[in-house]
Amino acid sequence: GAVVSQHPSRVICKSGTSVKIECRSLDFQATTMFWYRQFPKQSLMLMATSNEGSKATYEQGVEKDKFLINHASLTLSTLTVTSAHPEDSSFYICSANGQGGYEQYFGPGTRLTVT
Amino acid sequence: AQTVTQSQPEMSVQEAETVTLSCTYDTSESDYYLFWYKQPPSRQMILVIRQEAYKQQNATENRFSVNFQKAAKSFSLKISDSQLGDAAMYFCAYRSSKRRVYGSSNTGKLIFGQGTTLQVKP
Repeated sequence: GAVVSQHPSRVICKSGTSVKIECRSLDFQATTMFWYRQFPKQSLMLMATSNEGSKATYEQGVEKDKFLINHASLTLSTLTVTSAHPEDSSFYICSANGQGGYEQYFGPGTRLTVT
Repeated sequence: AQTVTQSQPEMSVQEAETVTLSCTYDTSESDYYLFWYKQPPSRQMILVIRQEAYKQQNATENRFSVNFQKAAKSFSLKISDSQLGDAAMYFCAYRSSKRRVYGSSNTGKLIFGQGTTLQVKP
């Protein structure tokens, strides 16, 4: 089956710094990738949708200047949390659609802790 | 806008028995996809089963089956012969089948329910 990887799996950063999370589709080309945020025992909250070569579409209430998304190739999307604060601590999950497919393939997630 | 509701925050089942997780949704669309995802403690999202709205037959995957009631907008998941490894959080999800008018591909955005935590008792 299709595999999506995320790197890093865990990251701890200091308040005020920026951190980048990578999402890669390993064995397929992902025309669309999605970034979610999940708090403990809660559902996934869609942050943004990114299409290769175009600007990401952010969900209402998500600060696009704080959560920078880049989808530079058909296999890589990145989420950069800028000027991180403790309230940005969360579990971030990416997923990807294959070309022409209706199934989403999920990465294993990244746990971000901001101290 | 579409919404998905899972009204059971927690459920428990005895090992080897059957449990049904409920999901209702709201949409004005006639064609769409519905999914059940499992999220074990590892937090990796795993697709359990999917249903295309145009198909009348309920989807089945081994011990997992759905009861899809399109008119009632209900999509419940039945787990038979429950196993300890079935313990997880389960999410119901909706996806439109419409393609974007201005794009060449469907955005494929998933709308998730709140989730149901399933405990399996030995």
